[in-house]
Amino acid sequence: EVQLVETGGGLIQPGGSLRLSCAASGLTVSSSYMTWVRQAPGKGLEWVSIIFSGGTTSYADSVKGRFTISRDNSKNTLFLQMNSLRADDTAVYYCARVTQHCSPTNCHAGALDYWGQGTLVTVSS
Amino acid sequence: SYELTQPPSVSVSPGQTASITCSGDKLGDKYASWYQQKPGQSPVLVIFQHDKRPSGIPERFSGSNSGNTITLTISGTQAVDEADYYCQSWDSTSVIFGGGTKLTVL
Repeated sequence: EVQLVETGGGLIQPGGSLRLSCAASGLTVSSSYMTWVRQAPGKGLEWVSIIFSGGTTSYADSVKGRFTISRDNSKNTLFLQMNSLRADDTAVYYCARVTQHCSPTNCHAGALDYWGQGTLVTVSS
Repeated sequence: SYELTQPPSVSVSPGQTASITCSGDKLGDKYASWYQQKPGQSPVLVIFQHDKRPSGIPERFSGSNSGNTITLTISGTQAVDEADYYCQSWDSTSVIFGGGTKLTVL
């Protein structure tokens, strides 16, 4: 059974830093496409960042230059380092696994099939 | 930037068919999925690759696509289907979500 457990959320002042963790079981983070998605209170889903199995990363414009996605293969854990936090970063942050669809020549990303329970980040003074 | 457009709300009577649309440029040619989210819960994948259901998702959920629009259809809608629904696709290496549709069963 696949399980994703996010930790690290909390109350942080504007301009501060926070690191979120997503501990995975039932899947191997290093060979998976893994992503972070957030949801501000009462709002819709907003994609944050993705790391592909080869290590390539991508970020939403709203967090580029402030957030960094990474993984620790030995701990089978995904991270999101968040710096220069702003009030509009307040949200529940979810990690999710992205399916891969491969042909003989390349692979493409698909659906977000497994999600964690989320961790709440509140940026406020 | 690429955008996906959903109606903010859809209402349906119990037992009837609910249809939720999602529009985007050439969306029918892209990989697209649908998610259900109930209050206080994480999103759940209900349709992937336009029209495929993950195991455990009831058969009353189906998906279709045509040109720039994809559609999530719930046949014989039940009270438990009341939730927010999000479409999702890709713009190069970026995940794109629609704004979400609140499905009310009344």
